Amino acid sequence: RKEVEQDPGPFNVPEGATVAFNCTYSNSASQSFFWYRQDCRKEPKLLMSVYSSGNEDGRFTAQLNRASQYISLLIRDSKLSDSATYLCVVNQANTDKLIFGTGTRLQVFP
Amino acid sequence: DAGVTQSPTHLIKTRGQQVTLRCSPKSGHDTVSWYQQALGQGPQFIFQYYEEEERQRGNFPDRFSGHQFPNYSSELNVNALLLGDSALYLCASSLALGGYTFGSGTRLTVV
Repeated sequence: RKEVEQDPGPFNVPEGATVAFNCTYSNSASQSFFWYRQDCRKEPKLLMSVYSSGNEDGRFTAQLNRASQYISLLIRDSKLSDSATYLCVVNQANTDKLIFGTGTRLQVFP
Repeated sequence: DAGVTQSPTHLIKTRGQQVTLRCSPKSGHDTVSWYQQALGQGPQFIFQYYEEEERQRGNFPDRFSGHQFPNYSSELNVNALLLGDSALYLCASSLALGGYTFGSGTRLTVV
């Protein structure tokens, strides 16, 4: 079983749609959680950290459920510029090591 | 303030050859991690360097080795290249358990 699992997609949605990505992780001792965005042939960039209380940044909302070992990302009012691959990332407990999911590809169309 | 700088940006090598990739961390960062990202996959952790020592290592063979210099820059060396080593190699720098900054990567093609 992979340490971090995501639906690879692709998710094809029209502009203005709401889209949700899910992710599960296997190590219950994991401490930090993130969503990264990666554009085609570019490096991953931090989109947002994920906290148990949930957090929101504009059109983006992230949630963490430690009991279920489940992380989510909700994007509201999708823009063409949101088209990218979204990587679910977990920080291995007591280390600096990041564990990445395979990524979920999002394509927003006009 | 320069971010993470990697060189070269692209590289083509033949099977069996050796390659060295270079990384300069973001100013003020003292820890360098290397990741391999194959096409269609997420980045996979290779190893991490701190205070010129390898601090952690992922599931990569000994053909993958590295080094960190006193100025915190780092090199990734891969010996006896295989076709399967073709990937985007990402360097990320950080400070203690702080946030990562990724470089734009080196795209290695092995033919």
